[in-house]
Amino acid sequence: ETGVTQSPTHLIKTRGQQVTLRCSSQSGHNTVSWYQQALGQGPQFIFQYYREEENGRGNFPPRFSGLQFPNYSSELNVNALELDDSALYLCASSPGLADEQYFGPGTRLTVT
Amino acid sequence: GIQVEQSPPDLILQEGANSTLRCNFSDSVNNLQWFHQNPWGQLINLFYIPSGTKQNGRLSATTVATERYSLLYISSSQTTDSGVYFCAVDMEYGNKLVFGAGTILRVKS
Repeated sequence: ETGVTQSPTHLIKTRGQQVTLRCSSQSGHNTVSWYQQALGQGPQFIFQYYREEENGRGNFPPRFSGLQFPNYSSELNVNALELDDSALYLCASSPGLADEQYFGPGTRLTVT
Repeated sequence: GIQVEQSPPDLILQEGANSTLRCNFSDSVNNLQWFHQNPWGQLINLFYIPSGTKQNGRLSATTVATERYSLLYISSSQTTDSGVYFCAVDMEYGNKLVFGAGTILRVKS
């Protein structure tokens, strides 16, 4: 079990609503990355935060946004939820930019 | 962008059998990781192996970076090995992992 935690575990939202997912990185890790995993697919990179700054973004629209706090925990915010946003959202932390990533248990989001 | 292909897509084994999973990637990489995803969705780190060979118990992995492939070997498989195995690579300095589609492994007792 990694030291990466995510909350909540499960979430059900209605189309058009907004959601905030949270991630606590492993102790000593300053880099957090977020991934979206649709059913039956591999995870897809959303964005990464390094020392509180966004450090790269995947092919996701601006309604996906994030934050990293001074303690290196992170939030993923999704506005104007769509049905296709239903997925497992995974957070990963690493000691630095080029290091091994460790994943949290994920948040399963269902949009109805 | 970089392409990551895993084979086979599905694999059914009898308990005790050995298997080899393959990961091909289309460009040079800085990082390569193998993961096992359990039925609850947790990605478990197996190997961090941008090049060379590593072993951990019944599992071992080899990455030949110059030929752009990696292999994951599972020996004496157990039912608890069932799940999805992912290969993920990072071609930039920054660990923005690109995942393959995975190999679904089912081990029967």
